[in-house]
Amino acid sequence: GQQLNQSPQSMFIQEGEDVSMNCTSSSIFNTWLWYKQEPGEGPVLLIALYKAGELTSNGRLTAQFGITRKDSFLNISASIPSDVGIYFCAGFGGSGNTPLVFGKGTRLSVIA
Amino acid sequence: GAVVSQHPSRVICKSGTSVKIECRSLDFQATTMFWYRQFPKKSLMLMATSNEGSKATYEQGVEKDKFLINHASLTLSTLTVTSAHPEDSSFYICSAPHPGAGGVEQYFGPGTRLTVT
Repeated sequence: GQQLNQSPQSMFIQEGEDVSMNCTSSSIFNTWLWYKQEPGEGPVLLIALYKAGELTSNGRLTAQFGITRKDSFLNISASIPSDVGIYFCAGFGGSGNTPLVFGKGTRLSVIA
Repeated sequence: GAVVSQHPSRVICKSGTSVKIECRSLDFQATTMFWYRQFPKKSLMLMATSNEGSKATYEQGVEKDKFLINHASLTLSTLTVTSAHPEDSSFYICSAPHPGAGGVEQYFGPGTRLTVT
């Protein structure tokens, strides 16, 4: 099925560093969402973006909905050990109750 | 945020037996729920869309007779893995779109780790 191109696949960073990851698509999405999944758990919704150009923050996390509606990025500032996990972007392009299209994830490791 | 639960969180079963996994939306109603399968270090793979009051919609390559889905109420969907085999061992996760966000924001359950011996 359709998938988003998410990069990087993995990152190893020092505690306190900022992190940036992004997702691109060949098709337009009406909504972009970012999730975080910790080992053995289900994904947790971090940020949802509804308008092209929208910039939204959730604590140390900031995400933007690209102007072309074909991309989105997520930034994490001043990383801490509990930021470790897999971050997934997801696009929504249909009507209500349509499945999301997921990226392959960015695995983040934080070195204290 | 919206809460979705799954039960059991872990299950070990013998090859040839059936296992039922429940997914519940605890504080909202969901006419649709989604079932995913996740292999180690991989992304979520959509298996099927569970529809309250009608048949589930399965993704290509997913055996509907093996993975039985029943959306019994507006807060409960079940996935039954029939005649399980070791290759069915995986992490199964459900999600439900919250109606308050136009059905866009999906909330996930904590997942069920199935091991078939």
